[in-house]
Amino acid sequence: ELKVEQNPLFLSMQEGKNYTIYCNYSTTSDRLYWYRQDPGKSLESLFVLLSNGAVKQEGRLMASLDTKARLSTLHITAAVHDLSATYFCAAETNFGNEKLTFGTGTRLTIIP
Amino acid sequence: EAGVTQFPSHSVIEKGQTVTLRCDPISGHDNLYWYRRVMGKEIKFLLHFVKESKQDESGMPNNRFLAERTGGTYSTLKVQPAELEDSGVYFCASSRGPFSSGNTIYFGEGSWLTVV
Repeated sequence: ELKVEQNPLFLSMQEGKNYTIYCNYSTTSDRLYWYRQDPGKSLESLFVLLSNGAVKQEGRLMASLDTKARLSTLHITAAVHDLSATYFCAAETNFGNEKLTFGTGTRLTIIP
Repeated sequence: EAGVTQFPSHSVIEKGQTVTLRCDPISGHDNLYWYRRVMGKEIKFLLHFVKESKQDESGMPNNRFLAERTGGTYSTLKVQPAELEDSGVYFCASSRGPFSSGNTIYFGEGSWLTVV
């Protein structure tokens, strides 16, 4: 059974600082997803990482995937208040079976 | 284009009562998914429809939960009778085709259920 572990669960950081959220998964999964959720809002897709070594960047967020280590990271550069949200990673349970296994989420708070 | 809409956004019911959650997917999306997040836990898969057919309902926790998608449009998720441990957020999502084939999956804002 695929398990996805995300850490930290809570992260409070100052504006302008850099930090990384980690996502480990237990069995082979070739696709890794990152989502953002603002309070009371839907899950917004940030990145889909499809292969080993994949790196994607959007603004101050950069996601990477190492399938050999079964690790994905979401790196935040020079954080700004607007990035405060809960971030989830998710992996496909088995390729093609249309089922996502989520991590517990990281609640990120950016302090001015 | 309207997103995935869910109703009600919040519901408080007593243990033993029945609640029906509704999801309207994005128009033209054949794939519809239900997920839920109970307090302090991960978001977990419940089931997957393709049009009106259940493709995978392996995540449904027990027979108190019944999901339907008559006509392949909107879907309902009924909990009967509700128990305290059913409290949480129920998310619906949809995609035009399989998201494993590269189609984007869109989530609704969720229906918060509190069983007291």
